Amino acid sequence: EAQVTQNPRYLITVTGKKLTVTCSQNMNHEYMSWYRQDPGLGLRQIYYSMNVEVTDKGDVPEGYKVSRKEKRNFPLILESPSPNQTSLYFCASNRRGGALDSPLHFGNGTRLTVT
Amino acid sequence: LAKTTQPISMDSYEGQEVNITCSHNNIATNDYITWYQQFPSQGPRFIIQGYKTKVTNEVASLFIPADRKSSTLSLPRVSLSDTAVYYCLVGDIAGKGGGNKLTFGTGTQLKVEL
Repeated sequence: EAQVTQNPRYLITVTGKKLTVTCSQNMNHEYMSWYRQDPGLGLRQIYYSMNVEVTDKGDVPEGYKVSRKEKRNFPLILESPSPNQTSLYFCASNRRGGALDSPLHFGNGTRLTVT
Repeated sequence: LAKTTQPISMDSYEGQEVNITCSHNNIATNDYITWYQQFPSQGPRFIIQGYKTKVTNEVASLFIPADRKSSTLSLPRVSLSDTAVYYCLVGDIAGKGGGNKLTFGTGTQLKVEL
């Protein structure tokens, strides 16, 4: 089944403790992206990747890192999480370079709480 | 990426047709218009996409006037399960003109009641 898989679904951590949220897609998609969703603010893009070893900042990249060493994986890294990073995070992918003639496929989300 | 404006919320009843309009005055020549649906605690799901005129699939229709400065998502005979947030996304193909940075707006919360 074609899908985007995020892990974990829920994560509670403390300020300053490094964490990684994994994202994997099995559709051989070139483009992958991370979003955070907060009440009243919709979906905001954190980072995106056009292909392996190519990443770029979205609208809210501060406090996050990403890497794209393999085509299928795009982990989101929080080196020193803070409470304002408490949010619902989504990973997404599409076939070709962010092109909008190819629909985005989203994972089921990771709900992160930083205390 | 063209900025979009949608109503924050809409209410309807089961069996009614619902039309959600998205305004995108700065749409560029290469931009497509795409709509997504999101249920609570799930990722958005693709509904329909179009470039101009009218597009119809098994779940919705998309109406795009000639000037393409707005678009209307039409959901025929909604049911309780159509209660969700609907996002309009406008951007170009092939990643040109900033299309790589895909930003969603705040969407329209549709509530369907009995």
